[in-house]
Amino acid sequence: GAGVSQSPRYKVAKRGQDVALRCDPISGHVSLFWYQQALGQGPEFLTYFQNEAQLDKSGLPSDRFFAERPEGSVSTLKIQRTQQEDSAVYLCASSRLIATGGAYNEQFFGPGTRLTVL
Amino acid sequence: TQLLEQSPQFLSIQEGENLTVYCNSSSVFSSLQWYRQEPGEGPVLLVTVVTGGEVKKLKRLTFQFGDARKDSSLHITAAQPGDTGLYLCAGPNSGYALNFGKGTSLLVTP
Repeated sequence: GAGVSQSPRYKVAKRGQDVALRCDPISGHVSLFWYQQALGQGPEFLTYFQNEAQLDKSGLPSDRFFAERPEGSVSTLKIQRTQQEDSAVYLCASSRLIATGGAYNEQFFGPGTRLTVL
Repeated sequence: TQLLEQSPQFLSIQEGENLTVYCNSSSVFSSLQWYRQEPGEGPVLLVTVVTGGEVKKLKRLTFQFGDARKDSSLHITAAQPGDTGLYLCAGPNSGYALNFGKGTSLLVTP
């Protein structure tokens, strides 16, 4: 069965370039999450989609980060004018159920996109 | 923010040894999850603990949730090289997502 896939797996960008990272969640999964994982750290939440609606973007570090999920399936995380501090692994996760505050909802993670900004 | 602190940060042991890693918080969690992440891959869920004092076993791995639901431990018996990886604990926050600890990086050498 297909899991969560992400592309590209690796991306090298020059400082100031724009990048777009793609996530294909498990078919039928309502919820989609983006996390950022810096080297030697655990994943940190960026944003949450319920179908096509972006319900929480509180974790996005700056207005250079933008995410969308226009048809409620594939999602794209875009980073404009990349900076060196943006270098990290960007993880996408999906889950079958609607996420509710304080309650666990099993999330399935993709392999991540490793972004290196030179 | 509900912080999760994991210890130790790094652990290098030989095959056959036992080990315990810890996940602690000052906050109460409705549940805690343990994930293992291998290089170049995303985290994979190992177990979810929900009830204070709960103990769950997964082959050679034993997970315990503290009575007050603020901490958890993972014990591995007779570690094998295949156990090598980053072990992450996580708990749901008041929003939609998971709060993760920084992880324990485990290396098991033959």
